[in-house]
Order: sequence, then C-alpha cells, then structure tokens
Amino acid sequence: GAVVSQHPSRVICKSGTSVKIECRSLDFQATTMFWYRQFPKQSLMLMATSNEGSKATYEQGVEKDKFLINHASLTLSTLTVTSAHPEDSSFYICSARQPAGVSGGEQFFGPGTRLTVL
Amino acid sequence: TQLLEQSPQFLSIQEGENLTVYCNSSSVFSSLQWYRQEPGEGPVLLVTVVTGGEVKKLKRLTFQFGDARKDSSLHITAAQPGDTGLYLCAGARDQAGTALIFGKGTTLSVSS
Repeated sequence: GAVVSQHPSRVICKSGTSVKIECRSLDFQATTMFWYRQFPKQSLMLMATSNEGSKATYEQGVEKDKFLINHASLTLSTLTVTSAHPEDSSFYICSARQPAGVSGGEQFFGPGTRLTVL
Repeated sequence: TQLLEQSPQFLSIQEGENLTVYCNSSSVFSSLQWYRQEPGEGPVLLVTVVTGGEVKKLKRLTFQFGDARKDSSLHITAAQPGDTGLYLCAGARDQAGTALIFGKGTTLSVSS
C-alpha cells in the first residue's frame, strides 16, 4: 500500500507554545489529506479535511484558529497546534487519500504524532 | 449525521477461539473499510468492501458487507495472540469516498 509519514513521532512542549506536525505522502500525490485526533483507547475523531491549494474544512467543534492546517503541495500537509494547552495532549494522525481512480481512492494513515503539553 | 455503531467494544478471548465484530449504521455507506491499529501507531488498512453482500477473506479474517450497505462484520477464525489490537470500521461518507466516519473500535485481546 501507499506510504504516509508523519514528523515528529513524539513531541513534548510547554503550555503556550506552538507545535507543527508534518504529514507527507511518500509515493503518491494526495489532493486531499485528513487530520484526526485520538484519545487513549478511543476511536479516531476527524478534525479537518485538507485540500491542496485551498482552505481546510473543519469539523464542528474544532477551532480553526487553534489548529492551523496548510496543504501547500500535493505531498505535504501541516497541522500547527497554536498556544498549546495540556488538554491538547493527544495522538494526532493524518491520512492521505489516493486519487479516485487509484485503488478506489483509499485512505492510508500516517504513524501518528504523540503530543504532550506540559 | 451518519454514525457507525461498533460492537463489542472490548473482547478478551483464548487462542483458538472464533470471534465476530459488528459494525452497524442506519445510513448507507458507499464503501466500508476495516483497519487494525496497534498502540502508538497509525491504523493499517485490512480491507475495503464496496458492493452490498460482498464477502472478502484475508487468511483467517472474513469481512462481509451487508446487502443494504448499512452494516458489516469481521469474523476471525482460530484467533492468535498476534491478532491482538484495536479493530476499527470506517464508512466513506459520500460517493467520492472522502472523509471517513469511524466506529468506536473493538479492542481485542487474545491470550495463549
């Protein structure tokens, strides 16, 4: 299957600082990428849909000014958690969707980024 | 709002037993995917089912999509400790298969 990478895999930061997480599709171009958040022993919650060259579409309840998403190229999307607080600590996972004509447009997930805000 | 109800939420069994995980919705999905996730890692796609009534097999795993494309099941035969993990079903929200709606997951523990 297609490969999606995330960087960093783990990050610890102080409250009030901003953290950037990168999501890259390594062997295909992804016009659409997705950002999810996952709490321990729970399922994935969709935060936003990131489309290359346009503004991200955020799910209800997700603050767009706090979770800044940029999809500047067909292989890279970034999520910046601004002014992070301890309640933002979570496992953030991105996924990239292959073009509709390839493998039915399946999504492939990155390995996740564990964010801990002190 | 499309929701996926996944059950059971937790399952602890002995090696060699069979099990079935269910994923149900009142809404129709254009496709449904099953993932397996290990702690600290991202979900790994197991299978995608698209056609109502479709059955797919992956070694000891059998996946079925309901005729009405509202429900799906995952059956594991002769479970092994290596099957331990979080199993997630996810439905594609529209024809383009963009955003996925995830079930709450089933945490499976297989002991030897």
